Amino acid sequence: DAMVIQNPRYQVTQFGKPVTLSCSQTLNHNVMYWYQQKSSQAPKLLFHYYDKDFNNEADTPDNFQSRRPNTSFCFLDIRSPGLGDAAMYLCATSRAGRQETQYFGPGTRLLVL
Amino acid sequence: AQKITQTQPGMFVQEKEAVTLDCTYDTSDPSYGLFWYKQPSSGEMIFLIYQGSYDQQNATEGRYSLNFQKARKSANLVISASQLGDSAMYFCAMREKTSYDKVIFGPGTSLSVIP
Repeated sequence: DAMVIQNPRYQVTQFGKPVTLSCSQTLNHNVMYWYQQKSSQAPKLLFHYYDKDFNNEADTPDNFQSRRPNTSFCFLDIRSPGLGDAAMYLCATSRAGRQETQYFGPGTRLLVL
Repeated sequence: AQKITQTQPGMFVQEKEAVTLDCTYDTSDPSYGLFWYKQPSSGEMIFLIYQGSYDQQNATEGRYSLNFQKARKSANLVISASQLGDSAMYFCAMREKTSYDKVIFGPGTSLSVIP
């Protein structure tokens, strides 16, 4: 059974057209992460939630925003996608604690036309 | 600030041989965790092994072991008896307690196993 679910798996949007990616989890983990991964690069942390507390990375563009309405769901909003935002977006969850492993979703591949 | 370095962009290893993938990190937090993940061409992230900053012994998980040298801030992954299925990207990651469990990844090493 899938534990971290990302929808859609593939998303095509137009330049400048807002898009929302979703992530849900059945693990009841209190920490959720959004990463951007471009081809042959490492996942880059955009932001993460520790319970309801939102932690934004200093270099995450303002174009990227997130919502976490409850423990199970988290959304990534890209307000005005540019060509450079085309990437794989990975959602991960974990329990709190330095020893806790992250569980990753399958990712959403975003294409910007 | 957290920082992770993986100095080997690409590595080749003969099947059945052992290989070491390097990882160095920088943190001022005394409480942190180090992780290694494998990402095959399919894109999924597969957890391999964990080492805690307070752990006295090096972690081992099957064919994977971690050479943890805390004073040198290095956490190298050793894969013994390489298999063709080990060909993938390998990422070192670090989690800091004082950063609300923030996890960042190193740039990765692409490992190719040669028959």
